[in-house]
Amino acid sequence: KAGVTQTPRYLIKTRGQQVTLSCSPISGHRSVSWYQQTPGQGLQFLFEYFSETQRNKGNFPGRFSGRQFSNSRSEMNVSTLELGDSALYLCASSLVAGELYEQYFGPGTRLTVT
Amino acid sequence: TQLLEQSPQFLSIQEGENLTVYCNSSSVFSSLQWYRQEPGEGPVLLVTVVTGGEVKKLKRLTFQFGDARKDSSLHITAAQPGDTGLYLCAGPKAAGNKLTFGGGTRVLVKP
Repeated sequence: KAGVTQTPRYLIKTRGQQVTLSCSPISGHRSVSWYQQTPGQGLQFLFEYFSETQRNKGNFPGRFSGRQFSNSRSEMNVSTLELGDSALYLCASSLVAGELYEQYFGPGTRLTVT
Repeated sequence: TQLLEQSPQFLSIQEGENLTVYCNSSSVFSSLQWYRQEPGEGPVLLVTVVTGGEVKKLKRLTFQFGDARKDSSLHITAAQPGDTGLYLCAGPKAAGNKLTFGGGTRVLVKP
């Protein structure tokens, strides 16, 4: 079974621009979560989508948004990029949004904002 | 303040030595998970512990969940360079199913 895929793997953007990242979950997984990872803050939860609906949201500004399509693929968008948005953005899929909630991560998208 | 505190933050040992990583919280978790992340890659799930006092073994890795389900430990026996990576513990928050992660322990095993 193919793992979680994320595109692109690397991105360089300028302050003020916007960016869209894509995630394809493991086949059959309906829950997709997004995380931001930085050296200073570690792994921080952005949001989770399940069956095209946002179920949970972390403490990030409204510039960070996402969506999920009917085939469970998900995109996240960051508008008006700031230098502090430079990070590794990880997508994770889960079979069910249940108690164990085991996450399977993609390789991430490394975003650099200059 | 992190809901899950990991210690130590960094560990450097020689091949063949043993090591233990700790994950502590003041909150009770219904389960805790351990992940390992290598540079340039996403975290990989190693194990999930669910029952207080539970011990799980994965080859040279031993995971323990505290009796009160507030803490967990990862012990590696006879570490190898392939064990090098960032070890993360994570647990579901009470409100909703989102996971909260510890700050991570960076392990370096030198040959």
